[in-house]
Amino acid sequence: EPEVTQTPSHQVTQMGQEVILRCVPISNHLYFYWYRQILGQKVEFLVSFYNNEISEKSEIFDDQFSVERPDGSNFTLKIRSTKLEDSAMYFCASRGLGQSNEKLFFGSGTQLSVL
Amino acid sequence: GQQLNQSPQSMFIQEGEDVSMNCTSSSIFNTWLWYKQEPGEGPVLLIALYKAGELTSNGRLTAQFGITRKDSFLNISASIPSDVGIYFCAGQNAGGTSYGKLTFGQGTILTVHP
Repeated sequence: EPEVTQTPSHQVTQMGQEVILRCVPISNHLYFYWYRQILGQKVEFLVSFYNNEISEKSEIFDDQFSVERPDGSNFTLKIRSTKLEDSAMYFCASRGLGQSNEKLFFGSGTQLSVL
Repeated sequence: GQQLNQSPQSMFIQEGEDVSMNCTSSSIFNTWLWYKQEPGEGPVLLIALYKAGELTSNGRLTAQFGITRKDSFLNISASIPSDVGIYFCAGQNAGGTSYGKLTFGQGTILTVHP
């Protein structure tokens, strides 16, 4: 069964450093998302991306965050200058078209630890 | 923003028991979804509900979309140890750019004792 893959599974970084989290969505999907889950809390929407541009973003997704689809397969989330409170599990998700595909497929996540 | 209240926060049950959990919202959603998350994994979709009043089953799982569109429940019958995990409800107001923007509940941690 096709799946969303995320790398790395764990990322440790120093406060103030830039990190790039990588995702390979399911190949025929057109809508891409990033969510995050702070330890012990609920999953929160960050951003949605379609047709090479951001469709919607949450308050969390400030100027320190950016997303990119650099080629036909990868979808990345960059955090320019990490803060301690950015520590969380980051999930990439993708979705296809049509009513039957109106559901998200999530990757296994990247656990980001900011020290 | 829209808030989802999910209850209970956690459940400890014996294998074979039935389980029920629910979500309520401060406002209307057009779609309700139920996800399961296992340790180290992302959420996996269990059931999607698209119409008010809809009752849908997936094996031992049954979920309903409340008539008011502000609530949903999930039932698991005859629980087994592999049902262990965190169950999340999620609401979506589909349309325009909002497809796929989900609002999640806080989750229900389910523990099943053999």
